[in-house]
Amino acid sequence: RKEVEQDPGPFNVPEGATVAFNCTYSNSASQSFFWYRQDCRKEPKLLMSVYSSGNEDGRFTAQLNRASQYISLLIRDSKLSDSATYLCVVNPNSWGKLQFGAGTQVVVTP
Amino acid sequence: GAVVSQHPSRVICKSGTSVKIECRSLDFQATTMFWYRQFPKQSLMLMATSNEGSKATYEQGVEKDKFLINHASLTLSTLTVTSAHPEDSSFYICSARTHGTGSYEQYFGPGTRLTVT
Repeated sequence: RKEVEQDPGPFNVPEGATVAFNCTYSNSASQSFFWYRQDCRKEPKLLMSVYSSGNEDGRFTAQLNRASQYISLLIRDSKLSDSATYLCVVNPNSWGKLQFGAGTQVVVTP
Repeated sequence: GAVVSQHPSRVICKSGTSVKIECRSLDFQATTMFWYRQFPKQSLMLMATSNEGSKATYEQGVEKDKFLINHASLTLSTLTVTSAHPEDSSFYICSARTHGTGSYEQYFGPGTRLTVT
């Protein structure tokens, strides 16, 4: 079983619609969680940190469910510029060795 | 947020040569830097953890004699791919973690695309 699993997608989303997707992790002791965004042939950029039960940043909402060991990302009012691969990243301990999911591709269409 | 730079952004080299990639934290001190490799349509794979002033810790399956890492200062880590072969062609990305407790966020450099011919 992979340490971090994501639905690869693609999720094809009409502009203005809402899209949500999950990520599951295997280590129940994991301490912190992140969503990164990666555009094609570019480096990952931190989108949101998810430290507690969840948080919201503008159109983006991340939630953490420790009991079921998953985090989710919801994007409201999708923009064309939201098209990217969203990486679920888990920090299983305090040493900083992150575990990456393979990414969920989102394609926002006009 | 914190800024991490990498140089070069793209390099093409012949098989058997060595390539050095630099990773710099521009506006913060990074006691720990990480080196990743990403093949097309795959996730980032951690190669090694680089700590300032000490030897790097390599992940299982990564040859330390092939991928030489030097973290000589709090703002610079280098990765040297020695005797590169076509199978080493990949996207190499470094990241840096800010100094201090409780900060697990990592900031990534823009990556170096290596092509070995």
